[in-house]
Amino acid sequence: DAGITQSPRHKVTETGTPVTLRCHQTENHRYMYWYRQDPGHGLRLIHYSYGVKDTDKGEVSDGYSVSRSKTEDFLLTLESATSSQTSVYFCAISADRVSPLHFGNGTRLTVT
Amino acid sequence: TQLLEQSPQFLSIQEGENLTVYCNSSSVFSSLQWYRQEPGEGPVLLVTVVTGGEVKKLKRLTFQFGDARKDSSLHITAAQPGDTGLYLCAGARLTGGGNKLTFGTGTQLKVEL
Repeated sequence: DAGITQSPRHKVTETGTPVTLRCHQTENHRYMYWYRQDPGHGLRLIHYSYGVKDTDKGEVSDGYSVSRSKTEDFLLTLESATSSQTSVYFCAISADRVSPLHFGNGTRLTVT
Repeated sequence: TQLLEQSPQFLSIQEGENLTVYCNSSSVFSSLQWYRQEPGEGPVLLVTVVTGGEVKKLKRLTFQFGDARKDSSLHITAAQPGDTGLYLCAGARLTGGGNKLTFGTGTQLKVEL
């Protein structure tokens, strides 16, 4: 797993509640990414970070925010969860801008 | 959004058979990566192809990058049950913000005894 821990691994929450997912890495990699995986859509980039406090949007960023206050932690927040955000969320890291990604084992989020 | 279409979506074969998975796009990528994903886990990188026309072999798996760097294929020879999994291709676009990948929708492979 290249030293990537996602927490929680599973979460069920109600519509309208805030949710924060955590990604922790022990590799000291500069780049971190959040993807969501849905049937028929593959993996889609939500947000990514290229350094502490440096983040940018991906292709499906609406309804999500991120923060990176330390190299090792990248947080994904759903301010007000909706049923369309039910998905499996993957964190990934890479050492530099050209290296392949290493993924965590995902967080399965269900919004009821 | 740059699209990557994978085919077939599902493939169920017998042990020992050969198969090819295709990954096609109308866009040019700086490189193309292939991942395999097993249930409950994240994708794991199999190979990266960078040069148009490049062929890479990983035991019984052969990966090819199209000459125009828009498409790729994965060929498995003499498939085994251990090859079962979701195969994903991903096209890379290098930006100042990192290695941004566009993923295909995946090919679910099942190899039966």
